[in-house]
Amino acid sequence: DIVMTQSPDSLAVSLGERATINCKSSQSLLFSSNNNNYLAWYQQKPGQPPKLLIYWASTRESGVPDRFSGSGSGTDFTLTISGLQAEDVAVYYCQQYYGSPPFTFGQGTKLVIK
Amino acid sequence: EVQLVESGGGLVLPGGSLRLSCAASGFTFSNYWMSWVRQAPGKGLEWVANMKQDGSQKFYVDSVKGRFTISRDNAKSSLYLEMNSLRAEDTAVYFCARIHYYDSGGYNRWWDSWGQGTQVTVSS
Repeated sequence: DIVMTQSPDSLAVSLGERATINCKSSQSLLFSSNNNNYLAWYQQKPGQPPKLLIYWASTRESGVPDRFSGSGSGTDFTLTISGLQAEDVAVYYCQQYYGSPPFTFGQGTKLVIK
Repeated sequence: EVQLVESGGGLVLPGGSLRLSCAASGFTFSNYWMSWVRQAPGKGLEWVANMKQDGSQKFYVDSVKGRFTISRDNAKSSLYLEMNSLRAEDTAVYFCARIHYYDSGGYNRWWDSWGQGTQVTVSS
């Protein structure tokens, strides 16, 4: 099974500043035949289901603000929130959808306002 | 508008059974792989099971194999999860989720829609 490890577990950032969350997979998520990284990012606020933010490691879902961006390839990925807003307080998860199940999530990163 | 509405959760004794349902609307249900994903109290997300559009393929996380059964009724646009021999560690909110569709109709895509979830508590 592919193990997803996020860092840090929690993060405090001031309003308007940048938040950076890292995600590392135990094997490459890059599929050579289409050059896509099989990685998604989700945001989950308390009492709500997860919300898709990013897929293919860097493609923003429709309607997601452009302050959210994803980067990385292979085994190392990053979610960046530029210009943190109060409504961005949430837990963020990376998730791989490469190959056969199980499709695994990182343990989550809790983002709070400093 | 895509909607997924789960039901059937509740309090059950260890060793007991429960059947969860997910009613889908706002899209052609029969075109999509569907999943169950769960979240234990205060914990992260865990994929539980996937089912192909026509029901011909199913996948489960190891911890529920032999105890849980995923099924669907395309005529009713509904997804189900039959849970038997329940354990305390199955206590979680169970989400129904849709896998993003693409041309070849496979499952290697992200979850693009989620229900609100239904709470399952296994306790004596």
